[in-house]
Amino acid sequence: DQQVKQNSPSLSVQEGRISILNCDYTNSMFDYFLWYKKYPAEGPTFLISISSIKDKNEDGRFTVFLNKSAKHLSLHIVPSQPGDSAVYFCAASAFNFGNEKLTFGTGTRLTIIP
Amino acid sequence: DSGVTQTPKHLITATGQRVTLRCSPRSGDLSVYWYQQSLDQGLQFLIQYYNGEERAKGNILERFSAQQFPDLHSELNLSSLELGDSALYFCASSVQTGSLAYNEQFFGPGTRLTVL
Repeated sequence: DQQVKQNSPSLSVQEGRISILNCDYTNSMFDYFLWYKKYPAEGPTFLISISSIKDKNEDGRFTVFLNKSAKHLSLHIVPSQPGDSAVYFCAASAFNFGNEKLTFGTGTRLTIIP
Repeated sequence: DSGVTQTPKHLITATGQRVTLRCSPRSGDLSVYWYQQSLDQGLQFLIQYYNGEERAKGNILERFSAQQFPDLHSELNLSSLELGDSALYFCASSVQTGSLAYNEQFFGPGTRLTVL
């Protein structure tokens, strides 16, 4: 039962353009959402997060949008840079005090074309 | 560098064997999480420890066990290994301040386990 889905296994974007990565979830109990970035041979690195009480969170070139009614979130990267090439994982958590386990999607491999 | 360390980096063993993976959390972090990433899969939550006590369990097999020691490092023990246990195993830690704010998890570099 895949509760967090990233339907695009890969995405290629021209340098300088906008990258949009999408994520869908099915569990309405999720109330916190995160994006992690992963380079080969490294662990996931936290990128940006959003609470379910918000619909947008911005941090520099990265913006996450949350549409609760559609159970959909997206990560926008603008402008895209070659160093953004990595696998991006969407993750979700249903807050349960003391237990913040993450449910991950399967990832989207982003390639920025110079 | 996330501040979370994992050893060993790579482990190659045979079916039926037992291995131990080690994780040291970031300084000050009380919670340790273990995740498994199989080929082309997302990370699957296995188990969480908080200050030495088991806090939550996910899809962890009975052949697997974990513990967190007084110095807060954690070990994941995998026994009677099968070919399908080959995967990347990640440890993550978070501060768990006790507040209602979510505490992000910081991941180690992982241990790649290959069962032959």
